[in-house]
Parts: sequence; structure tokens; C-alpha cells
Amino acid sequence: GAVVSQHPSRVICKSGTSVKIECRSLDFQATTMFWYRQFPKQSLMLMATSNEGSKATYEQGVEKDKFLINHASLTLSTLTVTSAHPEDSSFYICSARDRATSVEQYFGPGTRLTVT
Amino acid sequence: KQEVTQIPAALSVPEGENLVLNCSFTDSAIYNLQWFRQDPGKGLTSLLLIQSSQREQTSGRLNASLDKSSGRSTLYIAASQPGDSATYLCAVCGNNRLAFGKGNQVVVIP
Repeated sequence: GAVVSQHPSRVICKSGTSVKIECRSLDFQATTMFWYRQFPKQSLMLMATSNEGSKATYEQGVEKDKFLINHASLTLSTLTVTSAHPEDSSFYICSARDRATSVEQYFGPGTRLTVT
Repeated sequence: KQEVTQIPAALSVPEGENLVLNCSFTDSAIYNLQWFRQDPGKGLTSLLLIQSSQREQTSGRLNASLDKSSGRSTLYIAASQPGDSATYLCAVCGNNRLAFGKGNQVVVIP
């Protein structure tokens, strides 16, 4: 149980295009989902916290118009990187908190974004 | 702001040796602490979760201790195997968020 999936696992796009990444909790309901980005040999940095049915809470320094987050259901959150630039290239990981236990976060396998 | 530090950043050990990975954090007001494993280019696999009221957790060859007052946790891996080669991340939960360290990159030499 407690599986979180991400799609796509890897994406290469041209500068200026927008990219959408999906995060799904497969066998549990998640009222809260989290989006992180990770640079090589660095720790995961929390970008935003997404609550089902409400606006996401962004961390300081993260542009909400650049990284659009939608959490439309208890099993799906999406992150859209708008007008992507090479500096947006990174590993994006989502996690979901089980509504029933509200303790542990379960992590997705990550999405490698490369902007050329 | 919570700061999480992991030492050493990288280490190599021969197969069979015990591994000791250290994690320290600056704010002792935590809800829980987790250790994760991350393989190259992959997501995170949860290994152990220690609640703030607990002192340690064990799972197979893994044992994690928590000293909240001194802001420290240690992950012990007994009798290391080549399959233990990975990056181990420590994450502290507080204020409804996880703060991660940069990880301990481990190589177990056959």
C-alpha cells in the first residue's frame, strides 16, 4: 500500500514551453501533497504544500505564477512549470500524506525535467 | 528555520562492516524524524520513522536512534552489503513540513 506515482518520469522540453507533472496517490486519499525539487547532490527543497480544494502554499522564493499547482481531487495534484527555462531543469519529487494516518509522507519516484 | 546536517557526506566501507550515519538538526521542536534511502535518479524509500517521543526504531539490520534534546539522530546499518550502496537522507518533521539534509552517500565495496 501507500504508493505514489508521478508522470512523466522524464521530460525534455524546449525553453519557453510549459510542462505539467502529475502526482497521484494510488491506494489512499491524500488531503495534502507536497512538491519538492532536488539539485544534484543537494537536499530536497520544499516548493509548495498543496491542499485538496484550496490554493497551494508556496515557500519563500518560489514563484507561484511560474510553478502552478492544482490539487483538484484527493488523489491527484499537478505541477505546471510555465515558460520553462534551462535553470528550471531539476528533479521534481512529490509526496502525499495519507488522510487516514496524517503522519507519514509517501514519496513519488520523481520527474527529471531537462529544459534545452 | 530548521537546518539539517548529515555527516559524513560520503563514505566507502568494505562489505560486512557496520555503517554509522549521523544527522543533526538545529530546532529540537520536532514531530518526528525519518530516514530515507535514495538510489541515483530515483525517488525516496522510507526506511525508519521515529516519533518525537521515541528513542529508537529498528527494522532488520537497520537501527535509528533519536536524541531530541541534543538534536541528533544516528542510523546504524549492521553487516553492510553491496546492495546498501545508496544515498541516505535524514528528514525532520516540524511545522507541518519536512526539512531534509543533503544526505550520506554510501558505497559498500564487495
